Amino acid sequence: EAGVVQSPRYKIIEKKQPVAFWCNPISGHNTLYWYRQNLGQGPELLIRYENEEAVDDSQLPKDRFSAERLKGVDSTLKIQPAELGDSAVYLCASSPNRFGGRGYNEQFFGPGTRLTVL
Amino acid sequence: RKEVEQDPGPFNVPEGATVAFNCTYSNSASQSFFWYRQDCRKEPKLLMSVYSSGNEDGRFTAQLNRASQYISLLIRDSKLSDSATYLCVVKTGTASKLTFGTGTRLQVTL
Repeated sequence: EAGVVQSPRYKIIEKKQPVAFWCNPISGHNTLYWYRQNLGQGPELLIRYENEEAVDDSQLPKDRFSAERLKGVDSTLKIQPAELGDSAVYLCASSPNRFGGRGYNEQFFGPGTRLTVL
Repeated sequence: RKEVEQDPGPFNVPEGATVAFNCTYSNSASQSFFWYRQDCRKEPKLLMSVYSSGNEDGRFTAQLNRASQYISLLIRDSKLSDSATYLCVVKTGTASKLTFGTGTRLQVTL
């Protein structure tokens, strides 16, 4: 079974430029998460989707960050404009339906996109 | 105060040693607890869940102390391949929201 797919794996941009990250979750997983991981820190949740609905975006800096999951499958995370402090690894994760299947509590992470803002 | 606190390490131990990591959490309503492992420049992966009665998986033992609000991970007979960062993770509430600690880095040497 394919895991969570993310692209690009690496991105280098200059500050004030826009950038977008793409995530394809594990097939059948209706919950999708975007995390940001700074160097030496644990992942921090940015937004969580249940199907196409953003159910927790309280940690998303909405002045410059946006996300969408239009058909409840793939998702994109955008930053516009990027700032130096946005340099981090952006991780996407997915988990199965809470009402069925094994591993309800397990979140499966993608390889991440390493963003460098110059 | 951070919701989940860990000693960042690094813990440098020789092969075969026993090493223990602790983690504290601030929200007494937290319900579920996990240890995730993250290799260098890789994604986090679930190592094991932590149950109130304590649980073991091979060389790994996890324990939970709800009264003191801390979680521990014990690794026996350390292998070189155990070198990684170990993330303490707490789930609070009915939603699938996880809060990660900063991680404890382990380096096992010959």
